Amino acid sequence: DAKTTQPPSMDCAEGRAANLPCNHSTISGNEYVYWYRQIHSQGPQYIIHGLKNNETNEMASLIITEDRKSSTLILPHATLRDTAVYYCIVRGLNDYKLSFGAGTTVTVRA
Amino acid sequence: DAGVIQSPRHEVTEMGQEVTLRCKLISGHNSLFWYRQTMMRGLELLIYFNNNVPIDDSGMPEDRFSAKMPNASFSTLKIQPSEPRDSAVYFCASSLDRRQETQYFGPGTRLLVL
Repeated sequence: DAKTTQPPSMDCAEGRAANLPCNHSTISGNEYVYWYRQIHSQGPQYIIHGLKNNETNEMASLIITEDRKSSTLILPHATLRDTAVYYCIVRGLNDYKLSFGAGTTVTVRA
Repeated sequence: DAGVIQSPRHEVTEMGQEVTLRCKLISGHNSLFWYRQTMMRGLELLIYFNNNVPIDDSGMPEDRFSAKMPNASFSTLKIQPSEPRDSAVYFCASSLDRRQETQYFGPGTRLLVL
């Protein structure tokens, strides 16, 4: 049973912000939201994760709604190299498994 | 750090042959994961090791698949005998421990069984 729902695809203009939505309406209190991405022919790459508060690192920002039922990954200035499949994953702190869904295929266009 | 290292990067073999995939963990990591990716099923966890001990092998498809960690930094995934339906990309990932959030993935081995 899927814990997250993401749009199958989206386009973004190079240099603009890319906002990737994710719904996780059944998330429980001790579950984190993780984002990974997979560039073509490469292994998945960790981007960011959060529990309640918004998070930012050198790659992206993660905005989690107050009720925690949805979140948005923001790539502030998308480049062509950000073209990839982006996976939103809900995971408990003690869960070792990463359950990848279908993700969102993001295409950054020049 | 070189990251997770996998070999070979590509493997083409014939049905019935034995296939061995190799993975070197990031130095200091003590958790190891083998995943398989296909178009039909996406990314699936096959097996998880912690401190060289297999913790969860429920994702291993059948007895033809076996995985080992002969030491703390190295793992093998063996398929014997291989079948065409085993064709997939196999990834290994390592992390510091099972509570550590971040798994670092290798570049994968693309396996084609003819």
